Amino acid sequence: TQLLEQSPQFLSIQEGENLTVYCNSSSVFSSLQWYRQEPGEGPVLLVTVVTGGEVKKLKRLTFQFGDARKDSSLHITAAQPGDTGLYLCVGVAGSYQLTFGKGTKLSVIP
Amino acid sequence: DAGVIQSPRHEVTEMGQEVTLRCKPISGHNSLFWYRQTMMRGLELLIYFNNNVPIDDSGMPEDRFSAKMPNASFSTLKIQPSEPRDSAVYFCASSFRSDRGIGYTFGSGTRLTVV
Repeated sequence: TQLLEQSPQFLSIQEGENLTVYCNSSSVFSSLQWYRQEPGEGPVLLVTVVTGGEVKKLKRLTFQFGDARKDSSLHITAAQPGDTGLYLCVGVAGSYQLTFGKGTKLSVIP
Repeated sequence: DAGVIQSPRHEVTEMGQEVTLRCKPISGHNSLFWYRQTMMRGLELLIYFNNNVPIDDSGMPEDRFSAKMPNASFSTLKIQPSEPRDSAVYFCASSFRSDRGIGYTFGSGTRLTVV
């Protein structure tokens, strides 16, 4: 069974601070996705990283895929209250197999 | 595009009753998934359809759960009889494959409470 461990599980920070969320596995994935889920809604895809070592930037969000394609990180610069939500790391293997992490619940306090 | 549409958004039912959750995937997406989300277990895949055919139902908890996809634009997840431990948020997702990989779009979910 493939497992994705996310850390931290909960994170509460002040507006303007930086933060990093980590996603680790012992398994290799063909790609890795990050989703954000807001209360009462379904997860929304933020990014897909495919190549080992790949770095993608989405405004203040930076996503990195580990060289061995087993781990990933999400870094948010100057967090804003609108960044509040549950961040899910998802490993993709095969044509449809998704392995979900339990998520990191982020609260950004104004 | 209206996205993946699920109904109802909320369902409260008594133990033993039948519950039917509905999903309309995005037009053109040929894969459909049903997930269940709880605080304890996170998101769990229940069943996966490709081109309306069930491919993997190994995540369906037990015989009380059944899912159908009679056509490309509609799917149902039925629980009969329902039990309190079925209380969770149920998500439907559809996906497409492009040269950038697989993209998954989730609906807003159905929050099921069985009392």
